[in-house]
Amino acid sequence: GQQLNQSPQSMFIQEGEDVSMNCTSSSIFNTWLWYKQDPGEGPVLLIALYKAGELTSNGRLTAQFGITRKDSFLNISASIPSDVGIYFCAGQLPRYSGGGADGLTFGKGTHLIIQP
Amino acid sequence: EAQVTQNPRYLITVTGKKLTVTCSQNMNHEYMSWYRQDPGLGLRQIYYSMNVEVTDKGDVPEGYKVSRKEKRNFPLILESPSPNQTSLYFCASSLLNREPQYFGPGTRLTVL
Repeated sequence: GQQLNQSPQSMFIQEGEDVSMNCTSSSIFNTWLWYKQDPGEGPVLLIALYKAGELTSNGRLTAQFGITRKDSFLNISASIPSDVGIYFCAGQLPRYSGGGADGLTFGKGTHLIIQP
Repeated sequence: EAQVTQNPRYLITVTGKKLTVTCSQNMNHEYMSWYRQDPGLGLRQIYYSMNVEVTDKGDVPEGYKVSRKEKRNFPLILESPSPNQTSLYFCASSLLNREPQYFGPGTRLTVL
């Protein structure tokens, strides 16, 4: 399948700090999705992006669809303890690029750890 | 409450003993899929279904079967489980193909 490079792999931050993570690929995507997974739970959709250059917020979270359509970033402002978890990006390929019926490829995740 | 449910949440079994993990959604979604999650490998799609009686292989289908006899249910069947199928499994659904998917809580399977 297609490769998505998600970085960083893990982040150790202090409560109150801002967080930034990103996903890049050599492929062009039609849609970028950001999910969060809490321990022992399934991924929960945070933000969906559908257009190049689109900037979307969900509370303290902001995500952008890169202008080249090959990347996306997620920012979390003023982190709090409940932000701890694994954040996944997922890119959806255009139909003509194949990748299965849904053309969805996941990054390997960013582990966010908040130090007291 | 709109949700995807999976059962069981935890399962320990032995090699070769057939098992089924159930998945059900109450959102009238057409598209459903199964993933496995392994350390360092992320989420990989096993099978997906575009609608009732329509299923197809994902990236890692070997050793798995699925069926979609009703819109709300999409069971994952392991006819003869092996230790390399020890993993965390997620069912997901979306209203239509190529829409954002909603995930179930996961089933942690251990095959001894």
